[in-house]
Amino acid sequence: DQQVKQNSPSLSVQEGRISILNCDYTNSMFDYFLWYKKYPAEGPTFLISISSIKDKNEDGRFTVFLNKSAKHLSLHIVPSQPGDSAVYFCAASASSNFGNEKLTFGTGTRLTIIP
Amino acid sequence: ETGVTQTPRHLVMGMTNKKSLKCEQHLGHNAMYWYKQSAKKPLELMFVYSLEERVENNSVPSRFSPECPNSSHLFLHLHTLQPEDSALYLCASSQDFPPASGIYNEQFFGPGTRLTVL
Repeated sequence: DQQVKQNSPSLSVQEGRISILNCDYTNSMFDYFLWYKKYPAEGPTFLISISSIKDKNEDGRFTVFLNKSAKHLSLHIVPSQPGDSAVYFCAASASSNFGNEKLTFGTGTRLTIIP
Repeated sequence: ETGVTQTPRHLVMGMTNKKSLKCEQHLGHNAMYWYKQSAKKPLELMFVYSLEERVENNSVPSRFSPECPNSSHLFLHLHTLQPEDSALYLCASSQDFPPASGIYNEQFFGPGTRLTVL
């Protein structure tokens, strides 16, 4: 049973527009959420994170929104650039679980930015 | 070399072979991880080492045997694998596990080893 779900395997967005990637989770113990970005032939790289005490975190063109009641988070990229084309993984952690902060990942969404 | 490196990048092996995957981190981290990513599945945590001690084994079959001789190196020894073990194997490191400060430590990933079992 997948605890972190990314229901859109792929997304295409025009350059300059907003990209919105979605992630849903089922485990109410999750209290820290991360987005990783992966280019082909490279390992995932950390992009942005958010703690459950916040509902928004912004870093340049990237903003993550957290809706705890809906158990939903989203990553907004604006404006989208060709270099943003990659696979984006959502991940979650339950830090209150006896200090066990393993990451649970989603299956990823492949974002393609169309020039 | 910087960051997290993995060798080999690609590996093809038969079911009766014995091979090893190597991971090296140059970040001064204390924790290292092995993940498996199968096609259309999420990354699955396999093992966690903290200060060279295994602290997590996620019900991984014994045909996968990790080894952490020091905090910079992590190996995954493979023996009598099955075709369904074909996947991308990713190594990662982080400052600590669990984080000493209670704040999540970012994990830094290597590029992975693409393993094919025939």
